[in-house]
Amino acid sequence: DTGVSQDPRHKITKRGQNVTFRCDPISEHNRLYWYRQTLGQGPEFLTYFQNEAQLEKSRLLSDRFSAERPKGSFSTLEIQRTEQGDSAMYLCASSNPRVGNEKLFFGSGTQLSVL
Amino acid sequence: AQTVTQSQPEMSVQEAETVTLSCTYDTSESDYYLFWYKQPPSRQMILVIRQEAYKQQNATENRFSVNFQKAAKSFSLKISDSQLGDAAMYFCAYNDYKLSFGAGTTVTVRA
Repeated sequence: DTGVSQDPRHKITKRGQNVTFRCDPISEHNRLYWYRQTLGQGPEFLTYFQNEAQLEKSRLLSDRFSAERPKGSFSTLEIQRTEQGDSAMYLCASSNPRVGNEKLFFGSGTQLSVL
Repeated sequence: AQTVTQSQPEMSVQEAETVTLSCTYDTSESDYYLFWYKQPPSRQMILVIRQEAYKQQNATENRFSVNFQKAAKSFSLKISDSQLGDAAMYFCAYNDYKLSFGAGTTVTVRA
């Protein structure tokens, strides 16, 4: 197992286009998180899943954002009608609190640039 | 909502010296976890050290140690014998079921 994997690493899109990012968590990690990070700031929580259930969404997650985790494995984050303010690093993380491990393991992120 | 405050936007340290990064947090919970993460220019988030709130003993990982003051809600990170590879942005984070991060402290190491 090579850790949390995110695809693509970089995405450049034009304003108004839709984009989709993928995250593959560490095997058997039942929790999966999405964060957004702008340059020079700390990551901001967007949403998280316990298995396939989306348990919480931040108010930062407008109706243009949707996340899914079918079958409790990989997750996708879609942004519709992108805006320049969506430009950021989108980080995915996973954890397995069932084994008493509260540590979150992060992927390398997807850097989104909206032109 | 939990808030995490890092009051030092930047810190500079001479190689081989010690630097301490401060962090305070706000919570009404009694059981939680605290973390320090390192983010180098590659932007990969790397776990540095973890502290469980019910443990009074301060966590230590090689050259990294924390000073956890639960009553004061303070969680500082000490980097001893600083190395050039320690240069990065450091984030303090609070975890009950999700991580809430501070704004970060940029550490530069002078050769």
